[in-house]
Amino acid sequence: QVHLQESGPKLVKPSETLSLTCTVSGGSTNTYYWSWIRQPPGKGLEWIGYIYYSGSTNYNPSLKSRVTVSVDTSKNEISLKLNSVTPADTAVYYCARIQWGETSGNHYFYGLDVWGQGTTVTVSS
Amino acid sequence: DIQMTQSPSSLSASVGDRVTLTCRASQTISTFLNWYQQKPGKAPKLLIYAASSLQFGVPSRFSGSGSGTDFTLTISSLQSEDFATYYCQQSYTTPLTFGGGTRVEVK
Repeated sequence: QVHLQESGPKLVKPSETLSLTCTVSGGSTNTYYWSWIRQPPGKGLEWIGYIYYSGSTNYNPSLKSRVTVSVDTSKNEISLKLNSVTPADTAVYYCARIQWGETSGNHYFYGLDVWGQGTTVTVSS
Repeated sequence: DIQMTQSPSSLSASVGDRVTLTCRASQTISTFLNWYQQKPGKAPKLLIYAASSLQFGVPSRFSGSGSGTDFTLTISSLQSEDFATYYCQQSYTTPLTFGGGTRVEVK
């Protein structure tokens, strides 16, 4: 059974870079899309971006200028970097696997089927 | 961006009730609509994908329907473990977007 585990600093200072790693166990990063999602305290879910195992990425335009997602298939790890953080970036950060299929060469997404437990990151001086 | 609007934002119900939650997209998304359940302090759990397909391992009391812009999640007989917040999410196009959630509370 695939298991995802987020890790990284729980406290980040304003203007610095938030860096998180998602480690995949019980499976491989190969052949899948992987996504980061965040949830501010008491609020809803916000999609940050995704990466295909080949390395192609897609980011939320609201965060695109500050976000980098990468994958290391040899380590089964997906990384998130968010720079120039502010207190508004305080949230629980989740990594998740995207369930997808292909029709006529087009890739279609069918939900986020495996999630990490999430890690709380606070931005504060 | 496609806006997802859920209604109601909260509802009170009793064990055994039939509960229907609604999600509306700001533009057509075909059937690229997914439903999640989230309990406090836990990650969301995928219940329904592609509007009406039950995710493996999810109880059959959960069902989804709809296409285009209007979708529903129905719990046929609410169980105690179903009190939670439910989110819809469109996967028709990026950015992927979620609804604001519906909290199902104990009456």
